[in-house]
Amino acid sequence: AQTVTQSQPEMSVQEAETVTLSCTYDTSESDYYLFWYKQPPSRQMILVIRQEAYKQQNATENRFSVNFQKAAKSFSLKISDSQLGDAAMYFCAYRSEDNDMRFGAGTRLTVKP
Amino acid sequence: DGGITQSPKYLFRKEGQNVTLSCEQNLNHDAMYWYRQDPGQGLRLIYYSQIVNDFQKGDIAEGYSVSREKKESFPLTVTSAQKNPTAFYLCASSTSDGSNQPQHFGDGTRLSIV
Repeated sequence: AQTVTQSQPEMSVQEAETVTLSCTYDTSESDYYLFWYKQPPSRQMILVIRQEAYKQQNATENRFSVNFQKAAKSFSLKISDSQLGDAAMYFCAYRSEDNDMRFGAGTRLTVKP
Repeated sequence: DGGITQSPKYLFRKEGQNVTLSCEQNLNHDAMYWYRQDPGQGLRLIYYSQIVNDFQKGDIAEGYSVSREKKESFPLTVTSAQKNPTAFYLCASSTSDGSNQPQHFGDGTRLSIV
């Protein structure tokens, strides 16, 4: 099965600054999908951004963008102009063509006012 | 509104007892999933199902069982063989058409041993 690694258990950012969360994955597939989810203390899973492996262009959703490096199997999330409401656990996820979906261990993001 | 409903929100199990967690979706999704989340940790895949009457084991299937008799329903049974069942359980669903559509999640069930 594919594995997803988030090497930063915790990260901290000053309000209005930029932070990057790392994610790497291991796969032998060529077609797959990558996602970042946010989990606030309520434990809801909220989709932040998604990327198709066949697209070279990095996905962007308002203040959130990714740096997708397919050859390096890397999928980092950049949060610009960080807000207090961005504080949460962030999970990177990989979905294979047969719909097997795996998550990383998560990064806890703290936003300092 | 379409969505995923997990019940109950809180569940208490006695030692040696089997319990079943419910997951229902009205999104017409083919694929459904069960994850376990321990405090401060990520989501670990227990089982997933791509279609009715079919399911595959995830990374931590031991001590758990599932069924998929209807497209809308994917109940998870935590058996007495699962020695450490206390955790937060999340159910999810998605399309299985190879698109980039994300998983939709329920609000979770917190299971505790009493």
